[in-house]
Amino acid sequence: GAGVSQTPSNKVTEKGKYVELRCDPISGHTALYWYRQSLGQGPEFLIYFQGTGAADDSGLPNDRFFAVRPEGSVSTLKIQRTERGDSAVYLCASRAGSSGANVLTFGAGSRLTVL
Amino acid sequence: ILNVEQSPQSLHVQEGDSTNFTCSFPSSNFYALHWYRWETAKSPEALFVMTLNGDEKKKGRISATLNTKEGYSYLYIKGSQPEDSATYLCAFKTVGNQFYFGTGTSLTVIP
Repeated sequence: GAGVSQTPSNKVTEKGKYVELRCDPISGHTALYWYRQSLGQGPEFLIYFQGTGAADDSGLPNDRFFAVRPEGSVSTLKIQRTERGDSAVYLCASRAGSSGANVLTFGAGSRLTVL
Repeated sequence: ILNVEQSPQSLHVQEGDSTNFTCSFPSSNFYALHWYRWETAKSPEALFVMTLNGDEKKKGRISATLNTKEGYSYLYIKGSQPEDSATYLCAFKTVGNQFYFGTGTSLTVIP
């Protein structure tokens, strides 16, 4: 596609529910990143995929968070047993390669509200 | 987790004023520094990629400098315009391809 697409753009859920957030990166971009931005904070690194594998998942806050990228393109961030503190904007970005000059191209984000 | 700091957190300037803000990052294991602009209701967009100590980049009225030895980068906006209103983010890139962002500087240009 022309850009990075994230769905849904807004999700309101109740505490304890399961949520999936989807990211469709730019075609051909091998690297895919998930970030979380809470109010007043900068984007917080969650996980980075290179191809199908998670190259670095050290930013996932706990085992309720999981992300997959089974075919090296679309990625899904999965949050189990949501808590109010999970409310944030979840940003996805893709990148063409590992060269230092390659920038992150972001989607518009998925705003998650946990009631 | 790397500590990337930006200051000030927010800034209000009059149209036509010039302004600058700072990004501080670890001076060791430097690989690259990115600047992004994030306008309300849009996605963050890349402004500059800086890799070498002493780098200076310019795009129109916006420019940036880099000092990797002391761990800081400055972003300058000359003659601010209302359309420059946005949050400006810097991101420190590691050799492992992670990007660690600062908290951003929110700029409001008052017409």
